[in-house]
Amino acid sequence: GQQLNQSPQSMFIQEGEDVSMNCTSSSIFNTWLWYKQDPGEGPVLLIALYKAGELTSNGRLTAQFGITRKDSFLNISASIPSDVGIYFCAGHGFGNEKLTFGTGTRLTIIP
Amino acid sequence: GAGVSQSPSNKVTEKGKDVELRCDPISGHTALYWYRQSLGQGLEFLIYFQGNSAPDKSGLPSDRFSAERTGGSVSTLTIQRTQQEDSAVYLCASSPRGGQGYTFGSGTRLTVV
Repeated sequence: GQQLNQSPQSMFIQEGEDVSMNCTSSSIFNTWLWYKQDPGEGPVLLIALYKAGELTSNGRLTAQFGITRKDSFLNISASIPSDVGIYFCAGHGFGNEKLTFGTGTRLTIIP
Repeated sequence: GAGVSQSPSNKVTEKGKDVELRCDPISGHTALYWYRQSLGQGLEFLIYFQGNSAPDKSGLPSDRFSAERTGGSVSTLTIQRTQQEDSAVYLCASSPRGGQGYTFGSGTRLTVV
């Protein structure tokens, strides 16, 4: 089945630093999504990407849908304490209604 | 409702007992999904509903797991004869139609002791 490899698994950064994480797939996806999950909550959609090559920003967040349709990255600029959490990439394959999720990147901000 | 509502938020049950988890999707959303998240892990797909039918139930781990949806709205996930490995957070999500980004509920944390 489809699998998403997400890296890094965890990140320890200082407030104000920029963050970058990415996902790769063994097969083509036609939609890429990035979610953030806070403790005790369900994942919340951050950015959705629908076209190969698409670059989309949402405030300090920027994400891109890779040209090959097999990868995506998420960048967070000038991190702040509320950015702490787990970030998941997710994608829809062609003709596939369900989302396949990556294994997550846990972001921690060091005081 | 305004968001996806799940109940109970926490459930502790004895091994071998049956449990029912409930999901109220966003009003008007025709697609409903159940996922399972084990501690520190990603989300594992269980089942997808479009209206009241389940075109994809490929993720249900065993025949102890079943789900239904009535009136194109509320869904119930039932786990029979619970085992310790069933302990996880069960997340429900809905979307206006299949193939779009979902809105998730806060989940039900199930602990089997």
